[in-house]
This record gives sequence, structure tokens and C-alpha cells, in this order.
Amino acid sequence: AQKVTQAQTEISVVEKEDVTLDCVYETRDTTYYLFWYKQPPSGELVFLIRRNSFDEQNEISGRYSWNFQKSTSSFNFTITASQVVDSAVYFCALQVSGGSYIPTFGRGTSLIVHP
Amino acid sequence: DTAVSQTPKYLVTQMGNDKSIKCEQNLGHDTMYWYKQDSKKFLKIMFSYNNKELIINETVPNRFSPKSPDKAHLNLHINSLELGDSAVYFCASSQNRQHGYTFGSGTRLTVV
Repeated sequence: AQKVTQAQTEISVVEKEDVTLDCVYETRDTTYYLFWYKQPPSGELVFLIRRNSFDEQNEISGRYSWNFQKSTSSFNFTITASQVVDSAVYFCALQVSGGSYIPTFGRGTSLIVHP
Repeated sequence: DTAVSQTPKYLVTQMGNDKSIKCEQNLGHDTMYWYKQDSKKFLKIMFSYNNKELIINETVPNRFSPKSPDKAHLNLHINSLELGDSAVYFCASSQNRQHGYTFGSGTRLTVV
């Protein structure tokens, strides 16, 4: 069985602070995919990144960066110099290869960035 | 152009009614999904359609039924609505089952 834990229910920061959202996953499969999605207050869900289990390279996209560490089963997401527009609920998801391919979502972390 | 569009955006209805939510994607994706998001933001898969075939049907009540007239559409029909059905329902599509989803904007269903 797969499991995704986002232990931080809510994080509150002040603009320009760096913030890291944690994601820890559990699976016995060796081939899997990890995702992050953003849900701003407007409600839509936006795909941010997909990472497969064989690619442990960290990824950077502007102020966003992701750190994938198989040794600790973590796929953490860092926002550098946070902005008010980053305020949203962020979901981490795990999808194993084969079978139904349906991802398991974490419970989400609500990030509030204060001006 | 909206990639995944679902209508209506809001739906308020009385218990016992039957309602439908429509979803269309213009991305040429092979797989479409319906998710339910409860008041605590938990996302639960309801259905998945791949090339017009239902490939996932989680333990949802049979009052819920997906209908896919073609690869670009996956509608959700709900019969005999109950208070507990109140939630936000998201349609999504993906290029294949290994890719990330493109979600619709959601339909907030309120049953009174």
C-alpha cells in the first residue's frame, strides 16, 4: 500500500522568507512517480512537477525547488523569497507504476504568506 | 482556451434530486478522472476512464455514475443526492496514466 504524509498542516510565513514543505512517502514499489500540486484560494488545482523514482536530481524552477531523497523517502518543496501569491494549499502525491496508476494524495499543507 | 472545463461551477440542489456535472478536455489526453474533495481538502478518486473504458471504480455509492460519450468528455451523474454528497468535484485528464493531471476548475455541490 502507498502512503503520503504531509506532516505540516499549516505554515505561516512573512513575505520574502524561504519556506520548505515536507513530503514523506511510503511504497514497496521500485518504480514510482512523485508529484506536487498547488491549490490557490480560487480553488483550482495546478500541476507543478513530476519526478520519477530513478531521477534523484533536484529541480529548480524560478523560486521553486524540489529535493528528492530516496534514502529518506522524501520529496520536499522549497519556495525561496515567498510572495503573497504563493499562499495556497500544496499537495504531494505518489503514483506507483503498474496497476491502477491512481496517485495517492497527501492531506495537503496550507501555506499562508503574509505581506 | 480552457484545457479542462467543467460545468456548472456551482450547484445547489435539494436532497433526493438527480444532477449531472459535465467535463470536457481539449488536450487530446487519453485518461480522464473524477475526484471528490471534502471540506478538509482531502482528495479522493472516484472514477477513471481510459479510452472510454472504466478502469477504476473506487468504493463510491452506485448513485454516482460516470458517462463518457467520447474520449474528450467524462460526465458525472448523481442520483438521489444526499447531504453527504456536498463537496467540490474535480474533473481531470492526463496524457497517460503516468503523467501529471490537468484539473478542471471544480464544481462546488451543495445539497440542502
